[in-house]
Amino acid sequence: GAGVSQSPSNKVTEKGKDVELRCDPISGHTALYWYRQSLGQGLEFLIYFQGNSAPDKSGLPSDRFSAERTGGSVSTLTIQRTQQEDSAVYLCASSTTSGSYGNTIYFGEGSWLTVV
Amino acid sequence: AQTVTQSQPEMSVQEAETVTLSCTYDTSESDYYLFWYKQPPSRQMILVIRQEAYKQQNATENRFSVNFQKAAKSFSLKISDSQLGDAAMYFCAYRSAASKLTFGTGTRLQVTL
Repeated sequence: GAGVSQSPSNKVTEKGKDVELRCDPISGHTALYWYRQSLGQGLEFLIYFQGNSAPDKSGLPSDRFSAERTGGSVSTLTIQRTQQEDSAVYLCASSTTSGSYGNTIYFGEGSWLTVV
Repeated sequence: AQTVTQSQPEMSVQEAETVTLSCTYDTSESDYYLFWYKQPPSRQMILVIRQEAYKQQNATENRFSVNFQKAAKSFSLKISDSQLGDAAMYFCAYRSAASKLTFGTGTRLQVTL
């Protein structure tokens, strides 16, 4: 596609429910990132996929968070047993390769999650 | 670990004037990139400008330029001839071969008539 696509753009869920957030990166981009942005805060790294390598999960805040990337393209971020502190904007980004760390990383518009 | 600090939570500039946003960072690495991203109300992060640490010349993109002081670990963004469309959150970010893209906490820029 023309850009990084994320869905849903807004999600309200009840505390304790599971949610899935989807990211469709730019076609051909091998690197995919998930970041979390809490209200008025900067971006917090969550997880990074690069090609067929094992993902870097070092930013996931707890074992309630998981992500997968199927076929090297679409990624799904899953939050189990959501808590109110999970309320944030979840941003997905992609780039051509991690080999050149100066490459432009393109971001989607994010999924705004509200846990009530 | 690398850290990025933006000490100005909010800034305001009049249309057509110039404003400078500050950013400092901490690293022990010698080769890295620095970035300024803009986040308008649409939430989509847009790359404004980037600077490679090995390049002494400050990067420029139209009305946007940086003042990169490697020894001082400072990377400020100057916006000239400010326009209403420049109003947004601006994030400074750092990336190297060994580290992920790390962001500061952002500066909210208001542009007034």
